[in-house]
Amino acid sequence: EVQLLDSGGGLVQSGGSLRLSCAASGFTFSTYVMSWVRQAPGKGLEWVSAISGSGSSTSYADSVKGRFTISRDSSKNTVYLQMSSLRGEDTAVYYCAKEKGRTATSIDYWGQGTLVTVSS
Amino acid sequence: DIQMTQSPSTLSASVGDRVTITCRASQNINSWLAWYQQKPGKAPKLVIYKASSLESGVPSRFSGSGSGTEFTLTISSLQPDDFATYYCQQYNSDYRTFGQGTKVEIK
Repeated sequence: EVQLLDSGGGLVQSGGSLRLSCAASGFTFSTYVMSWVRQAPGKGLEWVSAISGSGSSTSYADSVKGRFTISRDSSKNTVYLQMSSLRGEDTAVYYCAKEKGRTATSIDYWGQGTLVTVSS
Repeated sequence: DIQMTQSPSTLSASVGDRVTITCRASQNINSWLAWYQQKPGKAPKLVIYKASSLESGVPSRFSGSGSGTEFTLTISSLQPDDFATYYCQQYNSDYRTFGQGTKVEIK
């Protein structure tokens, strides 16, 4: 059974940093693209970032480019999102997600989400 | 970036109704489109991928169609469990984007 366990959220001051983690199990981790998707309170879904199975290719939404870094550790079956220079508009539930394939595709499994609150 | 526009934003319907949601892309995305269902406080759930492929375990009353820039999600006979918010997502490029969502509520 595929499981994604998001963690690392919390309250952080504007301009601060936070690292989210997502522990994955139940599938061959190094095969699949992994993504982060966020949802601000009462708002829709926003794709944030994705990383290839090997970790060699990454992509970011314009809203986070230069501030967030996605990475993965296949020895720990874990994907990370390092967030810096955080702003109020980064306040959201952050979901870790597994994509269906080796390249950009749909998301077939989601974590439970971890809440990041940026205070001014 | 590719913009995705859903309509309507809110849809009021009754159990048993046929419901259609539209998603338009700002440029050609071939068939690289997914639909997700989200209920309050829960993570989204994949319903349709590659525009018209039904995800395993999803009831057959859900169907998707379209290619290029215009897509639809249809629920043939709305059931109580289907009241939720639905999102389309394009993955034609590395920069995926979601539509703004369509809330299906009880009439």
